[in-house]
Amino acid sequence: GIQVEQSPPDLILQEGANSTLRCNFSDSVNNLQWFHQNPWGQLINLFYIPSGTKQNGRLSATTVATERYSLLYISSSQTTDSGVYFCAVGLWETSGSRLTFGEGTQLTVNP
Amino acid sequence: GAVVSQHPSWVICKSGTSVKIECRSLDFQATTMFWYRQFPKQSLMLMATSNEGSKATYEQGVEKDKFLINHASLTLSTLTVTSAHPEDSSFYICSAKGGAGPYEQYFGPGTRLTVT
Repeated sequence: GIQVEQSPPDLILQEGANSTLRCNFSDSVNNLQWFHQNPWGQLINLFYIPSGTKQNGRLSATTVATERYSLLYISSSQTTDSGVYFCAVGLWETSGSRLTFGEGTQLTVNP
Repeated sequence: GAVVSQHPSWVICKSGTSVKIECRSLDFQATTMFWYRQFPKQSLMLMATSNEGSKATYEQGVEKDKFLINHASLTLSTLTVTSAHPEDSSFYICSAKGGAGPYEQYFGPGTRLTVT
């Protein structure tokens, strides 16, 4: 199956700093999602981005499918950005709708 | 955005009893629903995929007789943990998507199960 690797595993920032989270995957995908898991466990959809670039407020994401990676950018970080960020990928033709999750990046934003 | 609910949010049960968890898509029809399990400080692990009106497809290593999944309608799937044991204690999360294809999945808030 597809292998998903996220880096860094842990990231500590001061409020206001910018950061880049990376997601590498081992095979072709046509489904890629970024999530933020808040302290209560809820997964919040950030981006559905199998290719290209998207922006939503302070967050943006880029997926370069041909090179098998995706990046999540967080600008002007706030304490509420703290939590775990997951990347999940899938390939419809071989796995149907199933998503494979990376191990996540634990982000801590200090005031 | 699409909303998925789960009930209950948390449950405590005694060893040997069964527990049912509901997952509902509130504002869209979910052709496919998924059940995940998450241990503390770990990632999500897919347990099974279910399509409305069909038997669930379980991932390797997941006991289908222990984790019964029913997807009776386009808005409701249930996971029943039968004869629960303390090692079944975990955070269970469902997700749902509409349409046939690699579309976006939406996740429920999760159910924390503790078996005593």
